[in-house]
This record gives sequence, C-alpha cells and structure tokens, in this order.
Amino acid sequence: QQPVQSPQAVILREGEDAVINCSSSKALYSVHWYRQKHGEAPVFLMILLKGGEQKGHEKISASFNEKKQQSSLYLTASQLSYSGTYFCGTTPQGGSEKLVFGKGMKLTVNP
Amino acid sequence: DSGVTQTPKHLITATGQRVTLRCSPRSGDLSVYWYQQSLDQGLQFLIQYYNGEERAKGNILERFSAQQFPDLHSELNLSSLELGDSALYFCASSVGTGINSPLHFGNGTRLTVT
Repeated sequence: QQPVQSPQAVILREGEDAVINCSSSKALYSVHWYRQKHGEAPVFLMILLKGGEQKGHEKISASFNEKKQQSSLYLTASQLSYSGTYFCGTTPQGGSEKLVFGKGMKLTVNP
Repeated sequence: DSGVTQTPKHLITATGQRVTLRCSPRSGDLSVYWYQQSLDQGLQFLIQYYNGEERAKGNILERFSAQQFPDLHSELNLSSLELGDSALYFCASSVGTGINSPLHFGNGTRLTVT
C-alpha cells in the first residue's frame, strides 16, 4: 500500500511552478507531505485530512481528492530553497495508524 | 531543530553483530515512529509506538525489535546484522498518531555494516 509519486524528478528554474502527485490504491484518511534536503531529516509541510480540512505553508498548497485517492502538492514561484526530495505519506481509512511514504520526488531549482 | 534526539549519529559495526539505536521524542509527544532509509530509497516504515504500546507495524524484520519505555524514549534493536541493513534510521515523534498529527524527525542514525 505504498503510495506512488510522480514525477520521479523535476528540474525547474527559479520562479517556475511545480506539481507533485501522490496516488494510492487504498481509500485514504490522511495525506502528509514532507521535504527532505540532502543530508538532512525530512521536514513537515502539511497534512490533508478526509473531509477536506487543509493545513499548509505559504506559496505551497495541496489538494486531496478522496474519491480518486490522490493528492497533489503545488509549489508556486519556486525558490532555490525549494530544492529537495518531496515525500507524501498516507494513512488508510479504517483506523490503521500506519503512515507509509512514497519513494519521493526529487526537485532541483536552478537560478 | 525538531526537538527529537537520536543517538548515536553514526554507527559502524560488523556483520552478525547487534546494535541499539536510541530516540528521545519531543517534549509532550506520545508517539514514536521508526523509519529506514537506504540509498536512493524512500522512507520505509518499520514500527510505531504510542504511549508505550505498539500501534502499527510495517515490514520490520524479525531480527529487528523495538520498544518504548515509560519515559517515552524508544530503542530500536538490530541483531544478526547483514550488509543490507546499512542505512539511515530515522526516528520521528508526534503528539497524537500519524493519522492527523505532523511527524517531527530526528537527524537519524547512520548505520554502516562491514
């Protein structure tokens, strides 16, 4: 039940936008998004919950389509600091608290 | 600084040996999670504890075991180590469970098995 992330890698120029997708074969209760810079620990970005509640960051937003079991992370006007690997993690409906992460999407933002 | 402390930072040991990784969660957090990250791999979920009790289990090998103590710190024990166990092991903590609480990751323990 590992979520699938796409694309696997993206290279942008500063100021461009990016969309990262996360999909699951299971019905989901929540979707987490984290960013990990090289050599560092993952850092929380936001959680999306079943029912539409959203928490977030400025210039970084996300959507959660419960019916399609998909989530997308939107990075607007990317900055150099956005570079890193983005992971989505999902918990299934049904009460399981297992938070399983996808393989990640590597984003490189160039000047 | 996430407030999650992992020790040691680096560990080098030989095949067949046993090691213990330690994690102190953020103050007030009741849940502790363990993840394994190999080179160019994602975060593989191992196990989760909440207030001393096991709450969820991932693809954790039988050679691996973990526990959460009354003071909420956690230890991950890896035994009969193999070369393939070399990885970065992250501990994370949260106030509630992973369903609706953000995880705060420690800086990890890098294990090298030679």
